[in-house]
Amino acid sequence: QKEVEQDPGPLSVPEGAIVSLNCTYSNSAFQYFMWYRQYSRKGPELLMYTYSSGNKEDGRFTAQVDKSSKYISLFIRDSQPSDSATYLCAMSHGGTQGGSEKLVFGKGTKLTVNP
Amino acid sequence: KAGVTQTPRYLIKTRGQQVTLSCSPISGHRSVSWYQQTPGQGLQFLFEYFSETQRNKGNFPGRFSGRQFSNSRSEMNVSTLELGDSALYLCASSFRTSEETQYFGPGTRLLVL
Repeated sequence: QKEVEQDPGPLSVPEGAIVSLNCTYSNSAFQYFMWYRQYSRKGPELLMYTYSSGNKEDGRFTAQVDKSSKYISLFIRDSQPSDSATYLCAMSHGGTQGGSEKLVFGKGTKLTVNP
Repeated sequence: KAGVTQTPRYLIKTRGQQVTLSCSPISGHRSVSWYQQTPGQGLQFLFEYFSETQRNKGNFPGRFSGRQFSNSRSEMNVSTLELGDSALYLCASSFRTSEETQYFGPGTRLLVL
């Protein structure tokens, strides 16, 4: 079983739809959870960052973490064509003295929002 | 503040050659991590450097190596290139020892023929 599983899609939705992206993981030691957005031919950019369980909202984006189920989600409300990108979940155990712990990424879900 | 920069952006090499990629982190960031991204495997961690020392290493063969300079700039080297090394190589920087937020550069796309 891979440490982090993410449905690669592709996912195609009409403009204005609510999008739900999900990842499951197997390592209960993960404490930090992130969502990155990657446009074609670009590096990933950090969208959301959460620690432990709970919800976090930022504009049209909401990240949810359920550690008991080892499941994280990213919701995009009122999706726009500019949201078309690949979304990657990432997680880590936490920083160690002298350096950051490595991030473990999902393979990414390709999202297309059609006008 | 300038972001993470990587050079070159594109590279074509042949099997057996070696390649060196460069990464300049965000000013003030001391930790630099390298990742390999391929369609089949996704983003895979190569190694992380902090204060010129390798702190973490992923599961890649010894042909992949790196280093960090006193100004936090980092290089990675791949020797004896194989076709399977064709990938997007991404560098990410972060600020402090316990900082979990990493900021990525645009990547170097390597094609091995």
